[in-house]
Amino acid sequence: NAGVTQTPKFQVLKTGQSMTLQCAQDMNHNSMYWYRQDPGMGLRLIYYSASEGTTDKGEVPNGYNVSRLNKREFSLRLESAAPSQTSVYFCASSEAGVRNQPQHFGDGTRLSIL
Amino acid sequence: SQQGEEDPQALSIQEGENATMNCSYKTSINNLQWYRQNSGRGLVHLILIRSNEREKHSGRLRVTLDTSKKSSSLLITASRAADTASYFCATDGGSYIPTFGRGTSLIVHP
Repeated sequence: NAGVTQTPKFQVLKTGQSMTLQCAQDMNHNSMYWYRQDPGMGLRLIYYSASEGTTDKGEVPNGYNVSRLNKREFSLRLESAAPSQTSVYFCASSEAGVRNQPQHFGDGTRLSIL
Repeated sequence: SQQGEEDPQALSIQEGENATMNCSYKTSINNLQWYRQNSGRGLVHLILIRSNEREKHSGRLRVTLDTSKKSSSLLITASRAADTASYFCATDGGSYIPTFGRGTSLIVHP
C-alpha cells in the first residue's frame, strides 16, 4: 500500500503565485490533516478534516485554504504565496472517532517562495 | 503553541548505548504518542500510551508516563546507527487533535 502520497515533492514559487498541494491516502481513513514544519518550530497544524465534507482551522490557517475532495483526497491551496510560507508541508491521515489516533504521514512537499 | 516539549533538543551517543529523551506537557491528556522522523521523510508512529498506563514496551523502545508530573520518557535500548532520527512527542491536550513538540535530534555514531 502507498499510504499517504503527496505531490509535488518539491516546488519553487515566486511571491504572489498560487498553487495547490495534493494529498491522497489509501487507508480508508476518515480524518486528514495538513501541517507545516519549520526549523526549531516542530509541526504546526494548518487545517484538518475530521471527516469527508468537513474542514476546520488549525493553529496557523492564515494564507491557506483546503478542500476535502472526497474521502481519499485533501488538498491545500496557497492563493498568493509569501516568503513566510517557505516550509515543508506534511499531510497526514488517521482513523476518526477515537481521540488522538496514530497519524500516518506522507513524505512532505518542500516549498520555497522567492 | 506547543503542548509537548521534548528534552534534550539534541543527543549524541555511541552505538550500543541507551538513548533517553523526555517530553513535558502542560494540560491533561487522553494519551501521548511518540513519533520518529528520518531526514527528508515524514513522521512514523512508534508508540501510543494512554493516560491510565504508566509504562509500555515495543521492541527496543520503552515509554513511561507520569501524569502527576505531566511528563513522558522514551528509552531506546542498545541504540543502532539506524536509530539516528528526530523524535517527537504528540499530546492531545483534551481535544482529539495531536499537538507536536519541537523534537529531539538523536545521532547514533557507529
